[in-house]
Amino acid sequence: AQRVTQPEKLLSVFKGAPVELKCNYSYSGSPELFWYVQYSRQRLQLLLRHISRESIKGFTADLNKGETSFHLKKPFAQEEDSAMYYCALGADHSGAGSYQLTFGKGTKLSVIP
Amino acid sequence: KAGVTQTPRYLIKTRGQQVTLSCSPISGHRSVSWYQQTPGQGLQFLFEYFSETQRNKGNFPGRFSGRQFSNSRSEMNVSTLELGDSALYLCASSSLGGAEAFFGQGTRLTVV
Repeated sequence: AQRVTQPEKLLSVFKGAPVELKCNYSYSGSPELFWYVQYSRQRLQLLLRHISRESIKGFTADLNKGETSFHLKKPFAQEEDSAMYYCALGADHSGAGSYQLTFGKGTKLSVIP
Repeated sequence: KAGVTQTPRYLIKTRGQQVTLSCSPISGHRSVSWYQQTPGQGLQFLFEYFSETQRNKGNFPGRFSGRQFSNSRSEMNVSTLELGDSALYLCASSSLGGAEAFFGQGTRLTVV
């Protein structure tokens, strides 16, 4: 069975400081890893997926298979980054191309002005 | 392009009743998944439908069921409601059932 762990429930950083949101996973196959973000009063939305290897809103995440981690990083935090961040692992258990997302419990990022 | 739409946004039901929630996916998306979000358990996968067929099911009791129509709209039903069913129910759609999912705003169900 797969599992996603986000060890920090709450992370507070000052504006302009670097941010790292931790995510560790356990899965026996080849995972697809994602970061989702939920801003206040908005729907859950995709921020990053490991396959694309792109930077969105200054955030990057690298899949480290050796450490089974997919930490989210940003060099300089902005106030608008304050939100709930969820790490998720996608896996096809049905064998029919049906992906099931397993989410971590989330980390609330608070950027202090 | 309109996003995923869920109705109603809020529901209050009594224990023992049943409830039906509705989800309209993004146009062209044929896969619809449902998730339950609670403070204690977080986001948990309920089931996934593609072309009117359930392809995948999470670890929930049989009181939780769903269906998908030919226009890809989906409904989920919870029968014999329990207090523990109080949660935010999220619907997500994707084009081919891939892992990249687009979420609706959810239906908040309160069971009293």
